[in-house]
Amino acid sequence: DTAVSQTPKYLVTQMGNDKSIKCEQNLGHDTMYWYKQDSKKFLKIMFSYNNKELIINETVPNRFSPKSPDKAHLNLHINSLELGDSAVYFCASSQAALSYNEQFFGPGTRLTVL
Amino acid sequence: SQQGEEDPQALSIQEGENATMNCSYKTSINNLQWYRQNSGRGLVHLILIRSNEREKHSGRLRVTLDTSKKSSSLLITASRAADTASYFCAGQGAQKLVFGQGTRLTINP
Repeated sequence: DTAVSQTPKYLVTQMGNDKSIKCEQNLGHDTMYWYKQDSKKFLKIMFSYNNKELIINETVPNRFSPKSPDKAHLNLHINSLELGDSAVYFCASSQAALSYNEQFFGPGTRLTVL
Repeated sequence: SQQGEEDPQALSIQEGENATMNCSYKTSINNLQWYRQNSGRGLVHLILIRSNEREKHSGRLRVTLDTSKKSSSLLITASRAADTASYFCAGQGAQKLVFGQGTRLTINP
């Protein structure tokens, strides 16, 4: 009964490939997020969806494309992977996009680009 | 730009001692949250303090917020080995959380 799950947990791939990471939450939350955590543990938001609509789109290369087929799922597709994309990607969800809501994080996907 | 900055970046103490971590932020916030991350895991929410609150307690955790100084502190009392983790503060603005780089806390048995 995992609250926020991500697949895969580890992803090792070559530069130039295209890959996807999937996220699902069973908390009934309206809002989902993608974060990137770099090697220095700095966690930065990339995207946020509220009820399948994109509400936050930080300065992220357009090689990154999120997709939310329904409010329980938020996937992240990355085209033409680069070395600098190596990081841990976290999915999270919260009850709503408004303030005063804690976020629930998935276990992370460690992406290594060779 | 990075909102939260934690201090110290790393802290090592003996089990049973208290651990204090500080956080500063740059812009206005609606609330400030603290999260914990065990090695190789996702973040877990610990406590949320609203901008109109000055202090909040939850079990062995005590959080303070000083909006005039744009700073917060997290105190963990009577530390245990299981408290070893990274601790992040995150300021919540309009719709997003902005995280600092965290404090790596090590509790020595």
